[in-house]
Amino acid sequence: EPEVTQTPSHQVTQMGQEVILRCVPISNHLYFYWYRQILGQKVEFLVSFYNNEISEKSEIFDDQFSVERPDGSNFTLKIRSTKLEDSAMYFCASNKELAYGYTFGSGTRLTVV
Amino acid sequence: KNEVEQSPQNLTAQEGEFITINCSYSVGISALHWLQQHPGGGIVSLFMLSSGKKKHGRLIATINIQEKHSSLHITASHPRDSAVYICAVRGDSNYQLIWGAGTKLIIKP
Repeated sequence: EPEVTQTPSHQVTQMGQEVILRCVPISNHLYFYWYRQILGQKVEFLVSFYNNEISEKSEIFDDQFSVERPDGSNFTLKIRSTKLEDSAMYFCASNKELAYGYTFGSGTRLTVV
Repeated sequence: KNEVEQSPQNLTAQEGEFITINCSYSVGISALHWLQQHPGGGIVSLFMLSSGKKKHGRLIATINIQEKHSSLHITASHPRDSAVYICAVRGDSNYQLIWGAGTKLIIKP
């Protein structure tokens, strides 16, 4: 069964450093998403991406965050200057159409120290 | 105010019991999703509903659009069903999913 692949699985970074979280969505999917889950809390929406542009973003997704689909396969989330409160599990997801179910990656656990 | 509420928060049952997890929402939706989150953190999509009922193996999901309520049932529960079950909704004009807090289910042998 096709999978959404996320790398790395764990990343530890110093506060203020830039991090790039990588995702390879399923190849024929058209909609891509980043969600995050702070330990012990609900999953929160960050951003959705369709047709090579951001289709929706949350209040969390401020100027520190950016997304790219640089080569038609990878979908990346960049955090420019990490803060302690950015520590969370970050999930990438994709679906073929909005009316379809989602496939989630296994997540990247980001720890900012 | 939470737009998606789940109950119970925690549920412990014996193997074989019939399990019901409830989800209520307060927004107009185009679809409701039930997802399973394993102890390691991975999320698996179980169902997407916009009306009626769906069944997959021992799992059944129902939705009542008028009452803004959905239930997830597990028949003949098994210890391997132990996980967090999460309800999430997609609004009428949104791309994002709005997530509930999840129900932590433990099935004891």
